Amino acid sequence: DAMVIQNPRYQVTQFGKPVTLSCSQTLNHNVMYWYQQKSSQAPKLLFHYYDKDFNNEADTPDNFQSRRPNTSFCFLDIRSPGLGDAAMYLCATSSGLTSTRHTFGSGTRLTVV
Amino acid sequence: GNSVTQMEGPVTLSEEAFLTINCTYTATGYPSLFWYVQYPGEGLQLLLKATKADDKGSNKGFEATYRKETTSFHLEKGSVQVSDSAVYFCALSAGREYGNKLVFGAGTILRVKS
Repeated sequence: DAMVIQNPRYQVTQFGKPVTLSCSQTLNHNVMYWYQQKSSQAPKLLFHYYDKDFNNEADTPDNFQSRRPNTSFCFLDIRSPGLGDAAMYLCATSSGLTSTRHTFGSGTRLTVV
Repeated sequence: GNSVTQMEGPVTLSEEAFLTINCTYTATGYPSLFWYVQYPGEGLQLLLKATKADDKGSNKGFEATYRKETTSFHLEKGSVQVSDSAVYFCALSAGREYGNKLVFGAGTILRVKS
């Protein structure tokens, strides 16, 4: 089945140690999104790619970066995780900017110790 | 700007009770509206959607009608089950100029008791 896959499901990292979360998709969708969801809060968009065009939300901290080496993969890099970055990170895709439907992965829960 | 307001929870119901979760929105233009469901430790699953005024989205016994005049998209189900216990998020699509990103409400926890 076509899907959005996030690895790992659970990630523990040390305070200040760079960490990378990954997302892959078999849907061949043009758009990939990264949302951050802190405990008991709504998901909030960090950035998105339309093909290779990167679009950062205005309030996304500089500590968060992203890479999309090809259509299938997108990575979220946190350069120096702080305790406040502990959250569920959700990857989603959509077929294009005229499509409103997102397909979500199962998420990666990040713990910072 | 774009925003979504939904009723605070948790909402606790007995099995077979009627469910309503209120959702209102503020948006420029005519956004698409969604309800997503999240089970513990999981990602988001699309429950239903509506793309224009007076559309009714429905799935698994849940329904919501896009009401432009009241800028609302309330979620309803006639008879809830224990398996419906989850967090429900109302969302809108912010439009092509914003990459069609989703703007979510704060979420409503639903607990159904047997």
